[in-house]
Amino acid sequence: NAGVTQTPKFRVLKTGQSMTLLCAQDMNHEYMYWYRQDPGMGLRLIHYSVGEGTTAKGEVPDGYNVSRLKKQNFLLGLESAAPSQTSVYFCASTLNIDSNQPQHFGDGTRLSIL
Amino acid sequence: AQSVAQPEDQVNVAEGNPLTVKCTYSVSGNPYLFWYVQYPNRGLQFLLKYITGDNLVKGSYGFEAEFNKSQTSFHLKKPSALVSDSALYFCAVREGTGRRALTFGSGTRLQVQP
Repeated sequence: NAGVTQTPKFRVLKTGQSMTLLCAQDMNHEYMYWYRQDPGMGLRLIHYSVGEGTTAKGEVPDGYNVSRLKKQNFLLGLESAAPSQTSVYFCASTLNIDSNQPQHFGDGTRLSIL
Repeated sequence: AQSVAQPEDQVNVAEGNPLTVKCTYSVSGNPYLFWYVQYPNRGLQFLLKYITGDNLVKGSYGFEAEFNKSQTSFHLKKPSALVSDSALYFCAVREGTGRRALTFGSGTRLQVQP
């Protein structure tokens, strides 16, 4: 099992450019999450999904969009990148709400916006 | 609302000595509490969780945590630190009902000196 795989691992963008971060999990998990990690601020939830075809806003959703067309994939989009979106982005997944199982994390995407 | 506080940005301890990483939480209902560890350039890895039952929870790599409801704390402990324990540690909480996403603390960097 690969677990949670994030692509790409690194990316540098110019302000105003767009891009999509891909998260794939092979554990048949229902719930998937996108976080951003900034120094001294821990992880902040951007968007999450409780199942295929569903998405919901988290703590810091502005400037991002997401889609969950397939159960195993959760995409995070930046339509017009801004320097404030320079961060490390983590995807996570968990089985379902009733299992109380921990979240499994990918290794992150390091994104720099110039 | 739910929140987590990790009051120490960094904890320094000598190898072989006991270590404690502090965490306090705030939730409306019953808390579900988690500890994760992050090594450089990696995603978060699950260490242990408290859902219900015994207040002392044992987890991976010899770590344990004590749930204290009256002090709303969930401190991470290890009897004898190893240099390889040096990493970034995150406490996380969610309410047992209602909001399902985890809220993470800001993280504590543990430095174990040889």
